[in-house]
Amino acid sequence: GESVGLHLPTLSVQEGDNSIINCAYSNSASDYFIWYKQESGKGPQFIIDIRSNMDKRQGQRVTVLLNKTVKHLSLQIAATQPGDSAVYFCAENKGAQKLVFGQGTRLTINP
Amino acid sequence: DGGITQSPKYLFRKEGQNVTLSCEQNLNHDAMYWYRQDPGQGLRLIYYSQIVNDFQKGDIAEGYSVSREKKESFPLTVTSAQKNPTAFYLCASSIGLAKNIQYFGAGTRLSVL
Repeated sequence: GESVGLHLPTLSVQEGDNSIINCAYSNSASDYFIWYKQESGKGPQFIIDIRSNMDKRQGQRVTVLLNKTVKHLSLQIAATQPGDSAVYFCAENKGAQKLVFGQGTRLTINP
Repeated sequence: DGGITQSPKYLFRKEGQNVTLSCEQNLNHDAMYWYRQDPGQGLRLIYYSQIVNDFQKGDIAEGYSVSREKKESFPLTVTSAQKNPTAFYLCASSIGLAKNIQYFGAGTRLSVL
């Protein structure tokens, strides 16, 4: 069935290092993927999206990679800062249907 | 200043009581959504609406009700039938289901007295 899952529930990185958050999906028909950032006690905030006809998309300090062969999505954050501490969710959308959210990865920044 | 406004930020429910959570958006979005988030977990869809006067059940609609009388507003009622209502409730909106970047409000935290 449809599912969006994450390889690791928590990730701890040193300030200044790059972070890589991974996400696996099972629905090969999904054509649109989104990454959200959720800080404690707040609503999720849109970070970046990617369509299935793309392999890579870059934003400000963030890059999303899509590997359709192995149904894998990753979010790379360059030069991680304390303000990047949050839970990161991936979500997939198939056509006009609703988004399916993953469980989330908690990113912790060590000083 | 466009966005999605949820109120109240904190809400307490007594046994057997219905409570209503407010969600208003001024983004001119057609689609609106309600999610429930339990501690340490992802988002689960309660109800969604593609257009005024129309709404659909999500994955966990039992014990909840909604209305969509205006494009800007999508209130959620947590009824007494919802036996475990304690959670963080998030409202979102998007241009439509197909163009599906959903923008979220700040959430309402509901607790049971």
